[in-house]
Amino acid sequence: DAKTTQPTSMDCAEGRAANLPCNHSTISGNEYVYWYRQIHSQGPQYIIHGLKNNETNEMASLIITEDRKSSTLILPHATLRDTAVYYCIVRVAEETSGSRLTFGEGTQLTVNP
Amino acid sequence: NAGVTQTPKFRILKIGQSMTLQCTQDMNHNYMYWYRQDPGMGLKLIYYSVGAGITDKGEVPNGYNVSRSTTEDFPLRLELAAPSQTSVYFCASSFQARSGNTIYFGEGSWLTVV
Repeated sequence: DAKTTQPTSMDCAEGRAANLPCNHSTISGNEYVYWYRQIHSQGPQYIIHGLKNNETNEMASLIITEDRKSSTLILPHATLRDTAVYYCIVRVAEETSGSRLTFGEGTQLTVNP
Repeated sequence: NAGVTQTPKFRILKIGQSMTLQCTQDMNHNYMYWYRQDPGMGLKLIYYSVGAGITDKGEVPNGYNVSRSTTEDFPLRLELAAPSQTSVYFCASSFQARSGNTIYFGEGSWLTVV
């Protein structure tokens, strides 16, 4: 799986959009970009994933650059409950030898009142 | 919606004791995983399974064993507990599909070895 680079921490004001960047310059053509988050003392939670096109769901939007070397997770209206560590992960969708999800250090997002 | 269920949630073990962390999922997922997370650190994969009867090592398998006799269950066994195994353990499951492989996590099991 391709390596990702994320900022260690970010702050955001409540009600504003939170934009979390991720660099994955070695991503392969068949690798998806996944975002998870982990609220303190809870299990990681799936947010969104995409391959080439931008994606949106009820939680967030995912913007992937045309060269796919970076992406941005957007929380349109951050709330205090969005304070968490956000993990960006790239991996293939199909593997015949096994399927693993390797988490890095992630970005600590703090939403301030 | 049960999803991935882990037990126990909290446990204190003495050095050298053994125990099993239980994990079950009701989503008929073929893949299951065990991760550990030390304080302030990211998740590290211990073992994973791609289906009943098949298991494989992850990044940090030493000191642990797993089995996968059914699709639903994936227990993690610690044979001789050591202080270095004090951690939070997360079980997870997923279904491999062409559109992606979304992983769902349990709520975690807090283990302290003293």
